[in-house]
Amino acid sequence: AQKITQTQPGMFVQEKEAVTLDCTYDTSDPSYGLFWYKQPSSGEMIFLIYQGSYDQQNATEGRYSLNFQKARKSANLVISASQLGDSAMYFCAMREVERGQNFVFGPGTRLSVLP
Amino acid sequence: NAGVTQTPKFQVLKTGQSMTLQCAQDMNHEYMSWYRQDPGMGLRLIHYSVGAGITDQGEVPNGYNVSRSTTEDFPLRLLSAAPSQTSVYFCASSYQWRSGNTIYFGEGSWLTVV
Repeated sequence: AQKITQTQPGMFVQEKEAVTLDCTYDTSDPSYGLFWYKQPSSGEMIFLIYQGSYDQQNATEGRYSLNFQKARKSANLVISASQLGDSAMYFCAMREVERGQNFVFGPGTRLSVLP
Repeated sequence: NAGVTQTPKFQVLKTGQSMTLQCAQDMNHEYMSWYRQDPGMGLRLIHYSVGAGITDQGEVPNGYNVSRSTTEDFPLRLLSAAPSQTSVYFCASSYQWRSGNTIYFGEGSWLTVV
């Protein structure tokens, strides 16, 4: 079974608008972390934001925020005021404490920002 | 600040050849791992290590070997290359679990098996 699901293979957003990238996860581990990464066309993986399973507040990092709904097991990434440079692949990932501490990645969402 | 360094960046192999992808990190991370990235499938874990002398299999280990003789180095060996191993390979490292510890990636190695 998929541990990380990203149901949007591709998304379009107009420049300066906000966009939400969906991520749902599956775990029975009470302690885990959720991460979002950006992969531009150059190929490198860039860490964006982190949410811990015990964190009470949603994480924010500049224009990025994570909408964490623990009961629904969702960790959606919200990008505000989109920029052309935000066009990239976005990966949601989870790290479970009890399962070898491995990072498990979703299939990714390709975001295209339109001028 | 070297971070995670992996080599080579590009490689073309013939079916049946063997090769080693090198990976080194200078952050004293306990955890190191290798992923392959294929279109539409995200990153899939090949092998990982939680410390020197300790390795374990990930989701797609067949056809690959690893070793971890030092904290810094984690090479990935392709034993007998097959076209199905054409992919982009990422080495990554992290501290052991503490809240917020992210994973750091190398720049990737583009491997083509013909």
